[in-house]
Amino acid sequence: DGGITQSPKYLFRKEGQNVTLSCEQNLNHDAMYWYRQDPGQGLRLIYYSQIVNDFQKGDIAEGYSVSREKKESFPLTVTSAQKNPTAFYLCASSMSLNEQFFGPGTRLTVL
Amino acid sequence: AQSVTQPDIHITVSEGASLELRCNYSYGATPYLFWYVQSPGQGLQLLLKYFSGDTLVQGIKGFEAEFKRSQSSFNLRKPSVHWSDAAEYFCAVALMNRDDKIIFGKGTRLHILP
Repeated sequence: DGGITQSPKYLFRKEGQNVTLSCEQNLNHDAMYWYRQDPGQGLRLIYYSQIVNDFQKGDIAEGYSVSREKKESFPLTVTSAQKNPTAFYLCASSMSLNEQFFGPGTRLTVL
Repeated sequence: AQSVTQPDIHITVSEGASLELRCNYSYGATPYLFWYVQSPGQGLQLLLKYFSGDTLVQGIKGFEAEFKRSQSSFNLRKPSVHWSDAAEYFCAVALMNRDDKIIFGKGTRLHILP
């Protein structure tokens, strides 16, 4: 079945640690996205990538980093510079200007 | 700046009643328009989309939405809600001839009374 997978579903991080969230898609989509979701704030764009080896900052990129070495994969690293990382993180993919398909999300909690 | 407004943060309706969720956008041209639904702790699922043509769009789960250019609105409707419709609903717009970003509204949480 085609779709987007995110792992892990739940992630716990100690303060000062970097953590990497996985996002994989087998839909052959060119574009991939990372969003952060906090209660009452909707979805905020962190980073997006339209093609392999290229990505752009979204609205809240500070404290995050990404890579796009393969079309299928778009991992997100939450660095220690992100001061308030506890949130629900959603990955999505799409063909150009079409609907975005979302993964099931990763809930990150800082201990 | 382009924006999407969902004026209702929470809406409560009785099971079997009709539903309308409001969405307004601010953009100089007609964008692509979407409605997504999210159950707690899950990803988003597309309900319907509007690109062009008939302004009344049918979606999954019995939902429909109407694009009104004069009001810059894309309201979501359902004639009779079911308890399983309780979720959060997001309106979104994609800007033509721009990068592939989609702008999401802040969401409306739907509560269903038995």
